[in-house]
Amino acid sequence: QKEVEQDPGPLSVPEGAIVSLNCTYSNSAFQYFMWYRQYSRKGPELLMYTYSSGNKEDGRFTAQVDKSSKYISLFIRDSQPSDSATYLCAMKTPNFGNEKLTFGTGTRLTIIP
Amino acid sequence: GAVVSQHPSWVICKSGTSVKIECRSLDFQATTMFWYRQFPKQSLMLMATSNEGSKATYEQGVEKDKFLINHASLTLSTLTVTSAHPEDSSFYICSARDNQGARGYTFGSGTRLTVV
Repeated sequence: QKEVEQDPGPLSVPEGAIVSLNCTYSNSAFQYFMWYRQYSRKGPELLMYTYSSGNKEDGRFTAQVDKSSKYISLFIRDSQPSDSATYLCAMKTPNFGNEKLTFGTGTRLTIIP
Repeated sequence: GAVVSQHPSWVICKSGTSVKIECRSLDFQATTMFWYRQFPKQSLMLMATSNEGSKATYEQGVEKDKFLINHASLTLSTLTVTSAHPEDSSFYICSARDNQGARGYTFGSGTRLTVV
């Protein structure tokens, strides 16, 4: 079993829809959670960074963490064609001697105009 | 915000030659940088952790002599693919963590390596 599971998609939704992206994890030591957006042939770009259960909002993006269920989500409101990309969840333990991020496989998202 | 610059963005080289990829943190100091490899439609695979002033820590299965990492300063890490072969063709990405705060990791724009 992988430490982080993420549905690879592809996921296609019409413009303006709410998008829900999810990851589950098995390592209860993960305390820091991130969502990255990656356009084709580009490096990942940090969207959201959270370290506690609950919701964190930034513009059209909301990150949700449920540590009891080991489940994290990213919601995109009013989706735009420019949101079409691969979205990667990533997580990390609080052990600062181990800086390694563990990534999900990424979900390919297409917003249809 | 934190910026990581990676060069070159793409390179084509002949089999048997070596290729150097640079990763620079432009507006912050990075004690630790990371090198990833990404195959098409797959996630990032950590190759090694680069520590300023010391030897890199390689992940299991990554050849140290094949992928040479040097982190000579707080703003620069380099990855050299030695004696490259077609199977080394891939997308290589570096990242760095800003030492000043517990924030996410900033990634470079990646290097597309093609070995012919």
